[in-house]
Amino acid sequence: RKEVEQDPGPFNVPEGATVAFNCTYSNSASQSFFWYRQDCRKEPKLLMSVYSSGNEDGRFTAQLNRASQYISLLIRDSKLSDSATYLCVVNMGAGGTSYGKLTFGQGTILTVHP
Amino acid sequence: DGGITQSPKYLFRKEGQNVTLSCEQNLNHDAMYWYRQDPGQGLRLIYYSQIVNDFQKGDIAEGYSVSREKKESFPLTVTSAQKNPTAFYLCASAAYSGSNVLTFGAGSRLTVL
Repeated sequence: RKEVEQDPGPFNVPEGATVAFNCTYSNSASQSFFWYRQDCRKEPKLLMSVYSSGNEDGRFTAQLNRASQYISLLIRDSKLSDSATYLCVVNMGAGGTSYGKLTFGQGTILTVHP
Repeated sequence: DGGITQSPKYLFRKEGQNVTLSCEQNLNHDAMYWYRQDPGQGLRLIYYSQIVNDFQKGDIAEGYSVSREKKESFPLTVTSAQKNPTAFYLCASAAYSGSNVLTFGAGSRLTVL
């Protein structure tokens, strides 16, 4: 089983649609969770952190389910500019001053069409 | 503007040749990382450095080498021992070791002919 697993997609949705991605992780001791966005042939950029109580940033909502060991990303009112690969990232190690291993999922491809 | 500069953006190499990828940051970040990305796979950690003159192997260090002689610079050498070097290489930095917020460079795409 992969440490961090995502459905690679692709997800093809029309503008204005709501779309959700899930990501499962294998290590129950994982500390921190993130979603990064990567445009085609570009570098990843942090989209948002995922907090235990869930959090929202505009049209984006992230949630964490520790019991089932998954995180989710919900995008409402999809825009053409949302087309990208969304990477699930999990910190599986110790925090503080020690390096906590960041493990990346393979990414979920989203294409928003007119 | 602060950021990470990787060069070259595209590189072609013949089998058996070593090649060095440059990574420079002016963010005053302590920690720096090298990742490799292959199609359909997540980023895999090659090497990381928490402070100057120190670096650690990541998950796939075989066939690679690094140095960290200056805070700003973390070059990666892909040696001829690396069996499948064709990939997209990403350098990243973080303000301190243990920070979860990575800033990435634009990447270097290496193709072995």
